[in-house]
Amino acid sequence: DIQMTQSPSSLSASVGDRVTITCRASQSISIYLNWYQQKPGKAPKLLIYAASSLQSGVPSRFSGSGSGTDFTLTISSLQPEDFATYYCQHSYNTPRTFGQGTKVEIK
Amino acid sequence: EVQLVESGGGLVQPGRSLRLSCAASGFTFDDYAMHWVRQAPGKGLEWVSRISWNSGTIDYADSVKGRFTISRDNAKNSLYLQMDSLRTEDTALYYCVKETYTVPYFDYWGQGTLVTVSS
Repeated sequence: DIQMTQSPSSLSASVGDRVTITCRASQSISIYLNWYQQKPGKAPKLLIYAASSLQSGVPSRFSGSGSGTDFTLTISSLQPEDFATYYCQHSYNTPRTFGQGTKVEIK
Repeated sequence: EVQLVESGGGLVQPGRSLRLSCAASGFTFDDYAMHWVRQAPGKGLEWVSRISWNSGTIDYADSVKGRFTISRDNAKNSLYLQMDSLRTEDTALYYCVKETYTVPYFDYWGQGTLVTVSS
């Protein structure tokens, strides 16, 4: 099974900060990497698919990059509504493993 | 508008069974693979199971293999998860999820149904 490791597990940031979250796969997954945002009490929401494609309706301050085993989610200017938990997930094969999550909190 | 509505959760004793259902609408159900994903209280997301559009391919997480059975009824636009021999560690919010078929990703999620396994 492919393991997904996110870092950091949590971070504190201020509105307007640039935030970067990394995700590493235990083997190459090409670009089969997706990012989701989850707010408390809500279902996850797709942000980025295929490593760098922005889902329709998602603000352009979110971007993704990477291929192979190393991937990054970047929020260019953190907004109040971005405080949430972020998960990476591979879709290279099954099981469709998720990372452990990164909680973005207000500094 | 795509809608996924889960039902069937509840409180159940260890060792007993429960069947979850997911009613889908707003898209051509039999065109897409469907998944179950769960989230234990205060924890991260865990993929549980996948069924292809025609039920020809079915996969399970090791943690539920042999105990859970995924199925679908395309005539009823419905997805199911039969959960047998439930354990306390199966306590979680269970999400029904639709997957795209080109570059796979989960584009729609239900709101979840809570399963609590406790004596």
